[in-house]
Amino acid sequence: GDSVTQMEGPVTLSEEAFLTINCTYTATGYPSLFWYVQYPGEGLQLLLKATKADDKGSNKGFEATYRKETTSFHLEKGSVQVSDSAVYFCALGGGGADGLTFGKGTHLIIQP
Amino acid sequence: DAGITQSPRHKVTETGTPVTLRCHQTENHRYMYWYRQDPGHGLRLIHYSYGVKDTDKGEVSDGYSVSRSKTEDFLLTLESATSSQTSVYFCAISDYSDYEQYFGPGTRLTVT
Repeated sequence: GDSVTQMEGPVTLSEEAFLTINCTYTATGYPSLFWYVQYPGEGLQLLLKATKADDKGSNKGFEATYRKETTSFHLEKGSVQVSDSAVYFCALGGGGADGLTFGKGTHLIIQP
Repeated sequence: DAGITQSPRHKVTETGTPVTLRCHQTENHRYMYWYRQDPGHGLRLIHYSYGVKDTDKGEVSDGYSVSRSKTEDFLLTLESATSSQTSVYFCAISDYSDYEQYFGPGTRLTVT
């Protein structure tokens, strides 16, 4: 079945550092790929998405490129802020009715 | 933000008691989902609905039932709560054409 693998962390960085959170997936067909962010005590918010190979999703300074050849969708940001501290989830969806498949989440901590 | 509310937001109950969680949407989206979030597991799909009175099981459906009598409401019932069902429960909605899901704020359930 479909699966998503991402580093669990915690990942601790200093403010203004470069961020990469790796995400790889296994899926049949051509899934859509997503990054969600969860702040403490809140639900998940869609951060960005890509629906086909070589698409780049971007939002709030975060970017991820759908790489079919390496089955990856790594999240990057050039300069992180303390306010980026959260849990980040990579997910894939086949476009069907049966929901998304999530990775286990990466806890990101940004220190001033 | 998508109009999704969950009630109650917090609940403590005893083993063996029935519990019903409610998800209400104002977006008129066709698809609704119930997930549970546990440390080390990410989010796992419990049940989903693809229309009024149309529901199906997800990855971790044992011990749970659902009902959807109106487009806007999706109920999750634990017939006889167990300690292993202590978790944070999230409802999500999707209009399918865009594939991504939008999440509610969550319900924290503790079974003692």
